[in-house]
Amino acid sequence: GAVVSQHPSWVICKSGTSVKIECRSLDFQATTMFWYRQFPKQSLMLMATSNEGSKATYEQGVEKDKFLINHASLTLSTLTVTSAHPEDSSFYICSASEASGSYEQFFGPGTRLTVL
Amino acid sequence: AQKVTQAQTEISVVEKEDVTLDCVYETRDTTYYLFWYKQPPSGELVFLIRRNSFDEQNEISGRYSWNFQKSTSSFNFTITASQVVDSAVYFCALSSNSGYALNFGKGTSLLVTP
Repeated sequence: GAVVSQHPSWVICKSGTSVKIECRSLDFQATTMFWYRQFPKQSLMLMATSNEGSKATYEQGVEKDKFLINHASLTLSTLTVTSAHPEDSSFYICSASEASGSYEQFFGPGTRLTVL
Repeated sequence: AQKVTQAQTEISVVEKEDVTLDCVYETRDTTYYLFWYKQPPSGELVFLIRRNSFDEQNEISGRYSWNFQKSTSSFNFTITASQVVDSAVYFCALSSNSGYALNFGKGTSLLVTP
């Protein structure tokens, strides 16, 4: 099946710094990528939908100036958490939807962010 | 609006027992997709099944089986002869269409003890 990678798999940063998380579709082109956030012992919540070459669409309650999303190519989307704070500590998971065929979604392995 | 309800927060069974995880959904769409994912402690989501709204056939894959009933808006998941390795959080999810964002239930944490 199709593979989606995320980098880094985990990151620890100081409060106030910015962190970039990459999501790549390795063997297919993805017109659409999704970013989810999962707090401990909770469900996955959609943060934003990212379409290649256009601005991301953010879910209600997600600050677009804090969570910058760039989908510059059909295989790469990045999520930058700006001025991170301890409450941003979470598990961030991306998924990518194929540009053709079944439009099936494939999930990345996730990135665990800890803000000190 | 879409909604997925997994009423069972935690389930604990002894190895070799059968266990059913419930999933009830709400949607106004006539076309939709239902999913089950397994999330082990590592965190990575493991895809188990996708079912579209037009296919009500039950599915069996090894020890796993799924019962889709549109009449009750349910998509239940049964593990037969459970094993310790089945211990994980299981999520049921719904999307309006293939390739659309998924709306996840709150998950059911399954613990299988020897």
